[in-house]
Amino acid sequence: EDKVVQSPLSLVVHEGDTVTLNCSYEVTNFRSLLWYKQEKKAPTFLFMLTSSGIEKKSGRLSSILDKKELFSILNITATQTGDSAVYLCAVLSGGSNYKLTFGKGTLLTVNP
Amino acid sequence: SAVISQKPSRDICQRGTSLTIQCQVDSQVTMMFWYRQQPGQSLTLIATANQGSEATYESGFVIDKFPISRPNLTFSTLTVSNMSPEDSSIYLCSVGERDTQYFGPGTRLTVL
Repeated sequence: EDKVVQSPLSLVVHEGDTVTLNCSYEVTNFRSLLWYKQEKKAPTFLFMLTSSGIEKKSGRLSSILDKKELFSILNITATQTGDSAVYLCAVLSGGSNYKLTFGKGTLLTVNP
Repeated sequence: SAVISQKPSRDICQRGTSLTIQCQVDSQVTMMFWYRQQPGQSLTLIATANQGSEATYESGFVIDKFPISRPNLTFSTLTVSNMSPEDSSIYLCSVGERDTQYFGPGTRLTVL
């Protein structure tokens, strides 16, 4: 059975801190690893990673994938209160079992 | 990416009744999915909505409880039947594009 494990499950930091969120996975027929930010209802797409060692960046957020060790990290630098959300890691598996498996998420709280 | 809308945004229903949630996409997409997110939990795939054929349900979800329609490549509905308080959740539709999935705004359902 496909499995995605995120750590930590929750994290409280102060504005300006840098955070690293972790995601490890075990899936058959890996296609991609996806990061989402969920504030109210809908997860909003952050990054799609398919290749090891290539960092994806968007402003203060960045992410990288290690397909040998089966993990990914999401970094947020100079955190702001608006970064407070649940960050979800999900892995898309392909072939005849095209399926997105989610981790439980990391609840990030950024205090002023 | 495709723009996805869902109706209703939220609803409060009585136990034993049924609710149909609509998902509309602004472009034709091959792959559409329905997810459930129970309070405090991560997202769980209910089914893949197949155009022109019956939906493919995940383990633990059955057609009698969650009938799905997919009449064309831009629209799908999910019905939550004979509701109980345990069905109180956020219901999300998503579309698959290449190696990514994008989510609609979600429907927050409360069953009394």
